[in-house]
Amino acid sequence: QKEVEQDPGPLSVPEGAIVSLNCTYSNSAFQYFMWYRQYSRKGPELLMYTYSSGNKEDGRFTAQVDKSSKYISLFIRDSQPSDSATYLCAMSRAAGNKLTFGGGTRVLVKP
Amino acid sequence: DGGITQSPKYLFRKEGQNVTLSCEQNLNHDAMYWYRQDPGQGLRLIYYSQIVNDFQKGDIAEGYSVSREKKESFPLTVTSAQKNPTAFYLCASSIGFSYNEQFFGPGTRLTVL
Repeated sequence: QKEVEQDPGPLSVPEGAIVSLNCTYSNSAFQYFMWYRQYSRKGPELLMYTYSSGNKEDGRFTAQVDKSSKYISLFIRDSQPSDSATYLCAMSRAAGNKLTFGGGTRVLVKP
Repeated sequence: DGGITQSPKYLFRKEGQNVTLSCEQNLNHDAMYWYRQDPGQGLRLIYYSQIVNDFQKGDIAEGYSVSREKKESFPLTVTSAQKNPTAFYLCASSIGFSYNEQFFGPGTRLTVL
């Protein structure tokens, strides 16, 4: 079993809809959580960075962490075709520890 | 523009040949990393360097080698000992190793013929 699980998708939504992405993990020691966006044949781009449990909002993006359930989420409001990409979650136990990545979820936003 | 550059974008290699992938950053970051990405899989750490002239193995270092002679450069050599080298290779950097926020380059797609 992988330490971090992510549904590979694809997740197809109409433009303007809310995109809901999530990752589950097995290591309760993870404390730092990140979401990256990766366009096809490009490097990942850091979208959100959170520490411990709670919510964080940045523009159209909201990241949620539920450590009790070992579950993190990313919501994208008012989705645009330009949001079509693969979204990777990543997490680490502490500052300076290596990142463990999920396999990524491919998202398609249709005009 | 500050950022990370990787070259070449696409690379083809015959079996049995070593090949070196370039990674350069002008962000003045101390820490640099190499990852491998295969379809449907998460990024896996090959090597990382916390500071110049120092580097450590990651989770899948076998068949790879690195050097860190300059702060801005962290080249990766894929040797003939790497059994399945065809993959997308990503270089990343962070301000320091204690910072989790890593910034990635555009990647190099290596194909072994």
